[in-house]
This record gives sequence, structure tokens and C-alpha cells, in this order.
Amino acid sequence: SQTIHQWPATLVQPVGSPLSLECTVEGTSNPNLYWYRQAAGRGLQLLFYSVGIGQISSEVPQNLSASRPQDRQFILSSKKLLLSDSGFYLCAWSLLGTGDQPQHFGDGTRLSIL
Amino acid sequence: QKEVEQNSGPLSVPEGAIASLNCTYSDRGSQSFFWYRQYSGKSPELIMFIYSNGDKEDGRFTAQLNKASQYVSLLIRDSQPSDSATYLCAGLSRGSGNTGKLIFGQGTTLQVKP
Repeated sequence: SQTIHQWPATLVQPVGSPLSLECTVEGTSNPNLYWYRQAAGRGLQLLFYSVGIGQISSEVPQNLSASRPQDRQFILSSKKLLLSDSGFYLCAWSLLGTGDQPQHFGDGTRLSIL
Repeated sequence: QKEVEQNSGPLSVPEGAIASLNCTYSDRGSQSFFWYRQYSGKSPELIMFIYSNGDKEDGRFTAQLNKASQYVSLLIRDSQPSDSATYLCAGLSRGSGNTGKLIFGQGTTLQVKP
């Protein structure tokens, strides 16, 4: 069966520091991968998605970036964090299908910027 | 702008009652819909998906889709306090191609009172 791993679970970082969050999927090949952010009490905001190695699509302009160096690895990065980057970061995967393929979420990383 | 709308709630129901969660969507090209449950501080977990008009039942849960009215609902029978969570509705547009991108509603908070 497929599993998704996301780490760390919790992170406290000072303003201006760099960020690297990692997500890996096991048990499947060539998944679609997604990064979301959820602010406290708010809905999910899609940040990036990828349909293949090295292919990244950005949904909103921001100081974050994403990379997919391997088929089942997705990384979210920032060179300098802002206070507004605080939130709950979720990685998700799905399979290319005929329209009935759901997304499956990792456990998330709660990021606090001080 | 393609949107999925949900009443934020909270929706409060007594234990044992039927909880009815509703969702409307603006994109007539949407082909599949997904219901996720998100407990406070946790990541979303998939409950059900539906892509044909009508009802789909799974245990205590029934998803309903009416494409003519652009309306999706989730019924929870015999509601339990453990059902208390935020329920997210998401739609997959036919125009999303191979990306698998979902459009999420803001979620409805359900409170089941003992």
C-alpha cells in the first residue's frame, strides 16, 4: 500500500532563516505531488504541484519554492522566511487517473515563525 | 474563478441524529467530488468520493451529487461525538488535465453533542 511521509512534524524558525520541508511517497510510481498551506482556521491553499520529476507549477507568488529531485520526493524551500509563512504545511499525492483519483495527505508540518 | 462553496458553520447536531453537510460548485466541468474529514490539528483524511449523479453509500456516510444543480452533499447517519470535525468538500475539474488539482471549499465545522 502507498504511504506518505512528511517531516518534521513541528518547526519553529526565526524570521529570515531558511526552510526545507521534505515529503516522500512510498508504494507507487510517478505520483502527482502537491504542497498546501493552511493558515489557522482557514482553508487549504495550493502552493505548488508537480506531475513529474523536475516539473513544478506554482499557484501563488511568494517567497517559497519547490523541487522534485526524485520521482517520489517533493521539497518545499525558502531562502528567508517571513512572519506570514507561519502555518500548517501539507504534502499530498495522487495518481493520474480517469477523474476519480483522490489526493492523500501527509501528517503535515506545523511551522511557527518568531 | 472556479469555486467550491461551503457554509463554515458550526453545524451542531445531537448524538444519533443525521448531519447534512452541503457544498455548491461553480464549474460545470467538475467531474468528481471528494469529502475529507479534518480533526483539529490533524491533516485531512478522505471519507468518500463521488462522480456520478445520485447517491453513494459507505457505512454511515452517504454522498449525494446533483450535477444539474451543481450541488454535493454528505449525510452522516447516527452521528457520534467522534464525528465532530471540519469537513472539506473538493472538486476535480475536467479542465485540470493530468494535474489532479482539486478545488477545496473552506470547510464546514460539525459539532455532535452527546
